[in-house]
Amino acid sequence: EAGVVQSPRYKIIEKKQPVAFWCNPISGHNTLYWYRQNLGQGPELLIRYENEEAVDDSQLPKDRFSAERLKGVDSTLKIQPAELGDSAVYLCASSLELRAPEAFFGQGTRLTVV
Amino acid sequence: AQTVTQSQPEMSVQEAETVTLSCTYDTSESDYYLFWYKQPPSRQMILVIRQEAYKQQNATENRFSVNFQKAAKSFSLKISDSQLGDAAMYFCASTGAGSYQLTFGKGTKLSVIP
Repeated sequence: EAGVVQSPRYKIIEKKQPVAFWCNPISGHNTLYWYRQNLGQGPELLIRYENEEAVDDSQLPKDRFSAERLKGVDSTLKIQPAELGDSAVYLCASSLELRAPEAFFGQGTRLTVV
Repeated sequence: AQTVTQSQPEMSVQEAETVTLSCTYDTSESDYYLFWYKQPPSRQMILVIRQEAYKQQNATENRFSVNFQKAAKSFSLKISDSQLGDAAMYFCASTGAGSYQLTFGKGTKLSVIP
């Protein structure tokens, strides 16, 4: 069974430029998460989807971040415009059980904003 | 709200020896789950072990076991017969039964000495 797939693995952009990350969750997993992991920290939730509905986006900086999950499968996270402080690893995860969110993670995208 | 604290930024262990990583947490939830995730340099978060708070029995997975002290809100991970492949960042995480949001500690970097 394929795991959570993310692309790209690395991205370097200049500040004020847009950037997008893509995630394909494990087949059948209805819950999808985007986490941001700053250097030396644990991941922090940005947004959670149940199927195609964003049910928790309270931590998403909505002035520059947006996300979508078309047809309840793949998801895209976008930043426009990027700032220096957005440099981090962006992790996508998915889960199946509703009572025990045992999330399975992708390998993440390391974003560097210069 | 939940908080997770890992007080050991770095630990080291001799190959084949045993090491214990510490974690304390705080939660207002009556029903919750605790996890240990491993993050190697590849960045992918890999689930090591999971504990349901309502279970008194400590979880075990091969060489990995936990010491879950509910009253003390402590959740330590013991790695027996340490192997070189165990070297990684280890993150303790918690989630409420209905919240679906993983709250992570800052991690402990484990080095395994040959």
